[in-house]
Amino acid sequence: NAGVTQTPKFRVLKTGQSMTLLCAQDMNHEYMYWYRQDPGMGLRLIHYSVGEGTTAKGEVPDGYNVSRLKKQNFLLGLESAAPSQTSVYFCASSYIVGGPYNEQFFGPGTRLTVL
Amino acid sequence: GENVEQHPSTLSVQEGDSAVIKCTYSDSASNYFPWYKQELGKGPQLIIDIRSNVGEKKDQRIAVTLNKTAKHFSLHITETQPEDSAVYFCAARGGGADGLTFGKGTHLIIQP
Repeated sequence: NAGVTQTPKFRVLKTGQSMTLLCAQDMNHEYMYWYRQDPGMGLRLIHYSVGEGTTAKGEVPDGYNVSRLKKQNFLLGLESAAPSQTSVYFCASSYIVGGPYNEQFFGPGTRLTVL
Repeated sequence: GENVEQHPSTLSVQEGDSAVIKCTYSDSASNYFPWYKQELGKGPQLIIDIRSNVGEKKDQRIAVTLNKTAKHFSLHITETQPEDSAVYFCAARGGGADGLTFGKGTHLIIQP
C-alpha cells in the first residue's frame, strides 16, 4: 500500500494564479482532511470530507475549495493564490470516527510558495 | 471550538534521560487525544493515542497520561535516544467527525 500520497511535492505560484493539490489514499478510508502547517502554528484544519460527494469547512477555509468526487481522492483548490497561503499542506485520511480505528494517516506534504 | 495549548515549545534533554511534554485542552467534549511525531520534511506520524475513558497508556518507552478533570494530558518518553529528536504534536478531537485540533508543537532535542 502506498498509504496517503500528495501531488505535487513543491510548487511556486504568483499572486492571483490558481492551482489544485491532489491527495490520494489506497486504504479505503471514509474520512479525508486537508491541513496547513505554518511555522509556530501547528497544523490547522482547512476542509474535510466524511465520504464521497461530501465536504465541510474546518478552522481556516477561506480562500480554498475542495472536492471529493471519488472516495480515494480529495482535491484542494486555490482559485486566486495569495502570499498568505504560502504554507506546507498536509492531507490525511482515517476510518470512520468513533470506531476502533481513530488514527489519521498523513501524507508527505506539499510545500507551496506564493510570490 | 477546541483550543489546545502545548508546552514547552523546545525541550533539550541528555540522551538516556526522560522527556515530558504537556498539553491542555478547552472542550470538555473532546474524547480522543493522539500524539504525533514529525521528522524534518515528513508528515506527522502517530506514536500513541488515548481515549477519554482511559487514564494512562504505555507503549515501550512512550506513555501518555490523561486527566479529564483538569483537561490536560502529557507525553512521557523514557531512556531517550538520538532518534527521538523531532517535533512532537499533541492533538484533541471531540465527538464529531471533524478533524483534530493540534497544539503548536514541541521541538525535542536529544543531546549526546
